[in-house]
Amino acid sequence: SAVISQKPSRDICQRGTSLTIQCQVDSQVTMMFWYRQQPGQSLTLIATANQGSEATYESGFVIDKFPISRPNLTFSTLTVSNMSPEDSSIYLCSVDTSGYNEQFFGPGTRLTVL
Amino acid sequence: GENVEQHPSTLSVQEGDSAVIKCTYSDSASNYFPWYKQELGKRPQLIIDIRSNVGEKKDQRIAVTLNKTAKHFSLHITETQPEDSAVYFCAASINRRGNQFYFGTGTSLTVIP
Repeated sequence: SAVISQKPSRDICQRGTSLTIQCQVDSQVTMMFWYRQQPGQSLTLIATANQGSEATYESGFVIDKFPISRPNLTFSTLTVSNMSPEDSSIYLCSVDTSGYNEQFFGPGTRLTVL
Repeated sequence: GENVEQHPSTLSVQEGDSAVIKCTYSDSASNYFPWYKQELGKRPQLIIDIRSNVGEKKDQRIAVTLNKTAKHFSLHITETQPEDSAVYFCAASINRRGNQFYFGTGTSLTVIP
């Protein structure tokens, strides 16, 4: 199966700043997904990132707050902008490497906003 | 959109006993149902999945059943072991490339040695 990595693995940030999270896959994938997992909660899809087009955002998430880049078929970034303590979560990317709608997750980025 | 409900939220079993986690979904178009296991501090790991053209799938001690008429599916773990302790998430999606997953709220399973 594909190797999925994320950077950073964790960070502590100040209110009002922004953090960019990177997701790298060792094979080309069409779709990459970004999720948020708040402490003790389930996974919530933020957006679907397609290479060469605008990301598709789920209800409750907007591009100004969570801009996403997808410059090629192996890489994507998610930026959490103008952070507040409510943004403290684990952010995970996932990819479908099998082509059968199976999603595999990266290790996650644990974000704490003070 | 799809709504996935998962029960119970917590489950404790004695080692060697069976554990069953149940999920229901609302969108009859959903036809792919994966289950993920998430250990503390780790990423969710796909452990088993089922597609709507089958009613049951088994992989060693883990099985999943699907009732499309009733719109529910279940995870069965037999002969539980302490290493089965984790949070389990069900999900539903429409089996086409790139469709989003709708996750259940999770079940925290504890296997007591």
